[in-house]
Amino acid sequence: AQRVTQPEKLLSVFKGAPVELKCNYSYSGSPELFWYVQYSRQRLQLLLRHISRESIKGFTADLNKGETSFHLKKPFAQEEDSAMYYCALSRPRNTDKLIFGTGTRLQVFP
Amino acid sequence: DTAVSQTPKYLVTQMGNDKSIKCEQNLGHDTMYWYKQDSKKFLKIMFSYNNKELIINETVPNRFSPKSPDKAHLNLHINSLELGDSAVYFCASSQDWAETNEKLFFGSGTQLSVL
Repeated sequence: AQRVTQPEKLLSVFKGAPVELKCNYSYSGSPELFWYVQYSRQRLQLLLRHISRESIKGFTADLNKGETSFHLKKPFAQEEDSAMYYCALSRPRNTDKLIFGTGTRLQVFP
Repeated sequence: DTAVSQTPKYLVTQMGNDKSIKCEQNLGHDTMYWYKQDSKKFLKIMFSYNNKELIINETVPNRFSPKSPDKAHLNLHINSLELGDSAVYFCASSQDWAETNEKLFFGSGTQLSVL
């Protein structure tokens, strides 16, 4: 069965520090992977998806099939990055369900 | 123990029918949500209830009506189903309103197929 694991419930860093939010998955095929984010007083939104290979707000995430991971990274955290982050997985068909991790709260202190 | 459970997981039905998707949370949360996963796998909020009171009502057809008999349940009723309603629908809950940065707990999704 497909599963997404975000081992950290809370990650606290100081502004300017590097950030890595961990996401591991279990899936035997070729998954699609996503990071969703919810900032305070905003709606849940898609941050990035692995097939786009883009960097959004300085965040990147590389799919590592060997380690079955899709960690979210940013070299220098900003206070405005404080939010809830959810990793999600899906099979490739566009009708397939997203499967969510339990979320990691990122707190960036000044 | 499943924290947020929605039923059914899969629903296949004919155009024009009326159907309901049920959602229950046993976390004691005050706020519940319905999201729709579109074809690009973007999640879009449809409705949110806080303590049985509707607080978010996005632009969705009025064929969609949420019903919250108590704060542990938020059901989604859809009238006169159309082909375009085929999607995955997620229920979620949070202790308080998620826009205050509360953590969301998601159900496993209901895949609706309208034929």
